[in-house]
Amino acid sequence: QKEVEQDPGPLSVPEGAIVSLNCTYSNSAFQYFMWYRQYSRKGPELLMYTYSSGNKEDGRFTAQVDKSSKYISLFIRDSQPSDSATYLCAMSERNSGYSTLTFGKGTMLLVSP
Amino acid sequence: GAGVSQSPSNKVTEKGKDVELRCDPISGHTALYWYRQSLGQGLEFLIYFQGNSAPDKSGLPSDRFSAERTGGSVSTLTIQRTQQEDSAVYLCASSWPGIEDEQFFGPGTRLTVL
Repeated sequence: QKEVEQDPGPLSVPEGAIVSLNCTYSNSAFQYFMWYRQYSRKGPELLMYTYSSGNKEDGRFTAQVDKSSKYISLFIRDSQPSDSATYLCAMSERNSGYSTLTFGKGTMLLVSP
Repeated sequence: GAGVSQSPSNKVTEKGKDVELRCDPISGHTALYWYRQSLGQGLEFLIYFQGNSAPDKSGLPSDRFSAERTGGSVSTLTIQRTQQEDSAVYLCASSWPGIEDEQFFGPGTRLTVL
């Protein structure tokens, strides 16, 4: 079993839809949870960063963490064609004062006008 | 300010040749990471630098891979005797001291080994 599981998609939605992206993980030592967005032929860009269980909202984006279920989600409201990208979840635990990130494989999102 | 930059953006090489990939982190970022992203795969951690030291090299796939960092800034990833399975996008990321969870990525170098 891989440490982080993420459905690769693609997930196709019409413009304006609410999008739900999810990851599950097995390592209970993960403390920090992130979502990155990666456009084609670009590097990943940090979207959301959370530490504890609960919700964090930033504009149209909401990140949700449920540590008891080892499950994290990213919700996108009023999705736009410009949201079409691959979304990567990432998690980390501190090791002797530094963190390495463990990534999911990414979910490709396609938002059609 | 400027983001993380990487060069070259694309590199095509023949099997058996050596290649060098360069990363310029954001100024002031003491932590620097190299990752590899293969088609259909997630980001694979290769090596972590804190300053010029590499306390974690656990992700380097073989002794053909090495990396160095000088002046606490620029880093070079070297792949010797390249193989076709080395074809991938090599990504560099950097972060502020103490906030290593928030990593800023460069655009990557797309390596193709023929």
